[in-house]
Amino acid sequence: DAKTTQPPSMDCAEGRAANLPCNHSTISGNEYVYWYRQIHSQGPQYIIHGLKNNETNEMASLIITEDRKSSTLILPHATLRDTAVYYCIPSRFRDDKIIFGKGTRLHILP
Amino acid sequence: IAGITQAPTSQILAAGRRMTLRCTQDMRHNAMYWYRQDLGLGLRLIHYSNTAGTTGKGEVPDGYSVSRANTDDFPLTLASAVPSQTSVYFCASSDSGSPGYGYTFGSGTRLTVV
Repeated sequence: DAKTTQPPSMDCAEGRAANLPCNHSTISGNEYVYWYRQIHSQGPQYIIHGLKNNETNEMASLIITEDRKSSTLILPHATLRDTAVYYCIPSRFRDDKIIFGKGTRLHILP
Repeated sequence: IAGITQAPTSQILAAGRRMTLRCTQDMRHNAMYWYRQDLGLGLRLIHYSNTAGTTGKGEVPDGYSVSRANTDDFPLTLASAVPSQTSVYFCASSDSGSPGYGYTFGSGTRLTVV
């Protein structure tokens, strides 16, 4: 399984775009990049995933570099409710075992 | 509302007692998982099940057992609880045949072993 590197914490002003980076330089060709977040004391929540194309849904956008060695999760207009720990997880969707790292603790500042 | 139900929400348990944490999903997902979360250690996979009738060991399986008699239920049993099993336990499920929606997690069970 690919290893990931994420900054331990980040701050972002409310209303601004939050850009969360993830390095996954050892990702294999059949691994998707999944992003989850965990708001304090709640269960983790799926955000978005992608293989090699950029993706967007109602929650966020995912930008994957052409070499697939890194990606960026973008929350376009961060709110206080986006304060959470964000996890970047490479996974083959049929692998069936997502292993969480330490993630990035995102603080949205009023 | 479709999702995962975990019970109990919280429990205080005497060391040495047996305890089963319940997890039920109504999404007909084939795969289910149990994680524990401890302060400073993040989420760690305990056991998983790819489909009814099969189970597998995760990162930290010792002291825990699981069964998967049907698609919907995936109970986690602590045969003889120890204080180091004090943790928050999350159950999750996924449709492993589709990458579309990732895992769905329950709200967790907070277990304190004293």
